[in-house]
Amino acid sequence: AQSVTQLDSQVPVFEEAPVELRCNYSSSVSVYLFWYVQYPNQGLQLLLKYLSGSTLVESINGFEAEFNKSQTSFHLRKPSVHISDTAEYFCAVMRVFGGNQFYFGTGTSLTVIP
Amino acid sequence: GAVVSQHPSRVICKSGTSVKIECRSLDFQATTMFWYRQFPKQSLMLMATSNEGSKATYEQGVEKDKFLINHASLTLSTLTVTSAHPEDSSFYICSAMSGGTGVYFGEGSWLTVV
Repeated sequence: AQSVTQLDSQVPVFEEAPVELRCNYSSSVSVYLFWYVQYPNQGLQLLLKYLSGSTLVESINGFEAEFNKSQTSFHLRKPSVHISDTAEYFCAVMRVFGGNQFYFGTGTSLTVIP
Repeated sequence: GAVVSQHPSRVICKSGTSVKIECRSLDFQATTMFWYRQFPKQSLMLMATSNEGSKATYEQGVEKDKFLINHASLTLSTLTVTSAHPEDSSFYICSAMSGGTGVYFGEGSWLTVV
């Protein structure tokens, strides 16, 4: 079975400050890892994903996440946030073999304060 | 890019009535679609996998007679909540697979049963 834990339900941070959104997962099989973002009144959008290769993955808008197998973590970071980053962020896993369904964390609400 | 559209985005219905939510892949064909549900402060949970031309596969604990899924074409899957009750009030979101390019989510539908 797979499970995803996002310990921080709400993260307020001042504009231009760094932020880290934590994600830990548990799985008995190999998984792919994802971060999705949901802006108000919009659907889920893929932010970045780890499938294989380099453990550090980056998005086009400055976010990055690092896959740490030993700690079973996939924390999301950004060195300097903008007001427009205010959104709900979901960490998710998908089994490498079988399915194609996602297992999501409970989400982290990021609020950037001017 | 690939787009998945859900309709309606918000719906209020009376207890005991049925409500249908549509999920459409606008610019690609999707042989498989997924339906998720999210209760407040909880994860998005997979309800069922919808396969075009065949019966949906439901996750454990999801009542297939209550949540009817029809995947009649390669671009449309519908979720019908039958005899809705207030405890069915939730956020429902679908996703669709686009060949080898990934999984895309709809905007989600807020259902309120009064």
